Amino acid sequence: GESVGLHLPTLSVQEGDNSIINCAYSNSASDYFIWYKQESGKGPQFIIDIRSNMDKRQGQRVTVLLNKTVKHLSLQIAATQPGDSAVYFCAENVGDSGYALNFGKGTSLLVTP
Amino acid sequence: DTGVSQNPRHKITKRGQNVTFRCDPISEHNRLYWYRQTLGQGPEFLTYFQNEAQLEKSRLLSDRFSAERPKGSFSTLEIQRTEQGDSAMYLCASRNGLAVQETQYFGPGTRLLVL
Repeated sequence: GESVGLHLPTLSVQEGDNSIINCAYSNSASDYFIWYKQESGKGPQFIIDIRSNMDKRQGQRVTVLLNKTVKHLSLQIAATQPGDSAVYFCAENVGDSGYALNFGKGTSLLVTP
Repeated sequence: DTGVSQNPRHKITKRGQNVTFRCDPISEHNRLYWYRQTLGQGPEFLTYFQNEAQLEKSRLLSDRFSAERPKGSFSTLEIQRTEQGDSAMYLCASRNGLAVQETQYFGPGTRLLVL
């Protein structure tokens, strides 16, 4: 079926560098996307979201880019810190029908000193 | 703490036993979701409530699973006759259904181990 997937299962970056985590989706009807961060043994933590009528949205040290033409989503983390080490998931939602989020497998980000 | 809470945080049980988990959503959120997450995977949808009404169930929700939200506030998820394959993290999320495309906020999860 249609799904959300991630390009890389693991990403290792040095502290202070910028990180880019990518996500592909296949459902052209998806109109809302969320990035979550999940630390070991904890629930997913909201990072940033973006609606399909936007191309870019910025938060504190994070930027999400949406390319609807190629159905691609990315999360950019500026000046990556050791506390950013976690698994990152993108999730999609279709419409406001109350439907559940559809998650990908996740990308593990490891920040090295 | 005004976030989503879940209890217990950990549960170890023997195969064949029944278990029940509780979720307390963010107080003003009328939509509540249950997900299951196995190691190395993203959360998978199980079911969701709008107020006290259970509006959707995933095919993952077998007959041994039942969820309730009797007063439209907290919710319980019961697994009867547990199997080893039920071992997973069970996550609860809530959102404000009044706003379009509102974010779902997750609780810390209940980690279940079936021996």
